Amino acid sequence: AQSVSQHNHHVILSEAASLELGCNYSYGGTVNLFWYVQYPGQHLQLLLKYFSGDPLVKGIKGFEAEFIKSKFSFNLRKPSVQWSDTAEYFCAVGRDTGTASKLTFGTGTRLQVTL
Amino acid sequence: DAGVTQSPTHLIKTRGQQVTLRCSPKSGHDTVSWYQQALGQGPQFIFQYYEEEERQRGNFPDRFSGHQFPNYSSELNVNALLLGDSALYLCASSFFLGGRTEAFFGQGTRLTVV
Repeated sequence: AQSVSQHNHHVILSEAASLELGCNYSYGGTVNLFWYVQYPGQHLQLLLKYFSGDPLVKGIKGFEAEFIKSKFSFNLRKPSVQWSDTAEYFCAVGRDTGTASKLTFGTGTRLQVTL
Repeated sequence: DAGVTQSPTHLIKTRGQQVTLRCSPKSGHDTVSWYQQALGQGPQFIFQYYEEEERQRGNFPDRFSGHQFPNYSSELNVNALLLGDSALYLCASSFFLGGRTEAFFGQGTRLTVV
């Protein structure tokens, strides 16, 4: 069974600091990779996605992620965080199998940005 | 363009009772998935419906069942509720693109079992 590991459970950063959140998955086949964000009181929103092609993907709000196949990793980065980035971030791995598509999520990383 | 809508937003039930949660997918989507998100955890896949059939199921007991209607909306039913069923239940809709499926999530239903 596939699994997703997010190594940082709670990260506290000052505004303008750089961010990198780790994500590793265990599955040897073809996967789709996602980062979702959950702002307080809001629904899960897609930050960025990787299906194929350029392993460096750019998402909304200045976020980017790099897929490193040899390391089974898909780390999320942002050069300069803002207070409004305070949220919970989830890495997810998707597998499309003929007629179904299932997402496996990591346990999430709570990001707190201080002023 | 309406996104994924779920009802109700909050629900309190007693152990042993049964509950039904509802989901309307995003316009143009034909696939509905249900996830359970316990406090402090990531969402866990319950099952997925496409063409009114359960296509894939996660590691959840048979107390969890579902249905998809011809208009693509869906229900999640949980029987014989346990305290451990207390969680945020998320519905996700998608249009199956064979290798490039992207899921959109609703706000969720917060279920509390007392």
